[in-house]
Amino acid sequence: DGGITQSPKYLFRKEGQNVTLSCEQNLNHDAMYWYRQDPGQGLRLIYYSQIVNDFQKGDIAEGYSVSREKKESFPLTVTSAQKNPTAFYLCASSRTGANTEAFFGQGTRLTVV
Amino acid sequence: GQQLNQSPQSMFIQEGEDVSMNCTSSSIFNTWLWYKQEPGEGPVLLIALYKAGELTSNGRLTAQFGITRKDSFLNISASIPSDVGIYFCAGQRGTSGSRLTFGEGTQLTVNP
Repeated sequence: DGGITQSPKYLFRKEGQNVTLSCEQNLNHDAMYWYRQDPGQGLRLIYYSQIVNDFQKGDIAEGYSVSREKKESFPLTVTSAQKNPTAFYLCASSRTGANTEAFFGQGTRLTVV
Repeated sequence: GQQLNQSPQSMFIQEGEDVSMNCTSSSIFNTWLWYKQEPGEGPVLLIALYKAGELTSNGRLTAQFGITRKDSFLNISASIPSDVGIYFCAGQRGTSGSRLTFGEGTQLTVNP
């Protein structure tokens, strides 16, 4: 089936450790995005990429890093520098250009213990 | 980053009632999207709007792209319990892969 796959669904991390969240898509989309969602709040953009080997910071990039070595994959690393990493993380992808629609993965809930 | 102003923040309605929610912005958007999110899941696209004044339906859902291009509306008719969730609007300003801006969501509760 075509779509976006995020893994794992639930992730626990000890404070001070880095952790990488996976996002893979087989929709042949050029653009991919990472959002963070806190309880009762909307989506805030962390990083996005419109083409392989290129990415831009979103509104809350501090404490996060990404790579885009393959079109299908856009992993997000939550570093120990992120002061409040516990959240629901959503990955999305879309075509580039006008009139595009973004499609989301199922999300990864990260809990720092 | 800019957020869209989405209202209301929450709604509590009886099954069978109609629902209306909207998003406004001080900036012009070229695309408006409406999503629904259920607990613990990613948002699912409901309706996409591409032209000012456009009115599009998807079953009991109807959305409109405001004529000023600064707002959009979503209506749900004859609500049912499975309509429960958070509804998000999203706008895209540019024409070349520009990022989406999201509203803060409307939490809908439907009482049977």
